[in-house]
Amino acid sequence: GIQVEQSPPDLILQEGANSTLRCNFSDSVNNLQWFHQNPWGQLINLFYIPSGTKQNGRLSATTVATERYSLLYISSSQTTDSGVYFCAVEASGTYKYIFGTGTRLKVLA
Amino acid sequence: SQTIHQWPATLVQPVGSPLSLECTVEGTSNPNLYWYRQAAGRGLQLLFYSVGIGQISSEVPQNLSASRPQDRQFILSSKKLLLSDSGFYLCAWSDNTEAFFGQGTRLTVV
Repeated sequence: GIQVEQSPPDLILQEGANSTLRCNFSDSVNNLQWFHQNPWGQLINLFYIPSGTKQNGRLSATTVATERYSLLYISSSQTTDSGVYFCAVEASGTYKYIFGTGTRLKVLA
Repeated sequence: SQTIHQWPATLVQPVGSPLSLECTVEGTSNPNLYWYRQAAGRGLQLLFYSVGIGQISSEVPQNLSASRPQDRQFILSSKKLLLSDSGFYLCAWSDNTEAFFGQGTRLTVV
């Protein structure tokens, strides 16, 4: 099945810093999403982005489907950005959403 | 608008007891439905998915089963819980594009 790897696995930032999270996948995909899991376990939809670039406030994402990767950019990070970031992909020809390994982000005040 | 309900939020069950977790979706028809499990400090593992009533696909052989008795209802069950069944269980739905998740059930088997 499709493999989804995220990097880095852990990231510590000072408040105000910028960061880039990466998601690599091993096969072609129909759908791709980025999620933020808060300390209570809730999964927050950040972007639905099977291709192209989107921006929402301090967050933006880019997916290059032909090269099988997606990037999540966080600018001017805040302590509330802390948590785990997951990408999830649906491989072409399946109905299965497979999650990446996650990036655990901690933003220090 | 579409909403997804998952309950209970937390559950403590003894080893060997049965389990039934329910998930329902409102505001859409014929959704794809999913059950995931997350062990403490780990990623999300797909357990079951369903593309229609009575159609269940299992991803991981285990002590759990799933059923879809109605279009927008997805149930996760076990006849006898094991300690290793502890974790955070999440239900999700999609319309073949974006997926949306419930609030999750934190299950502790003691």
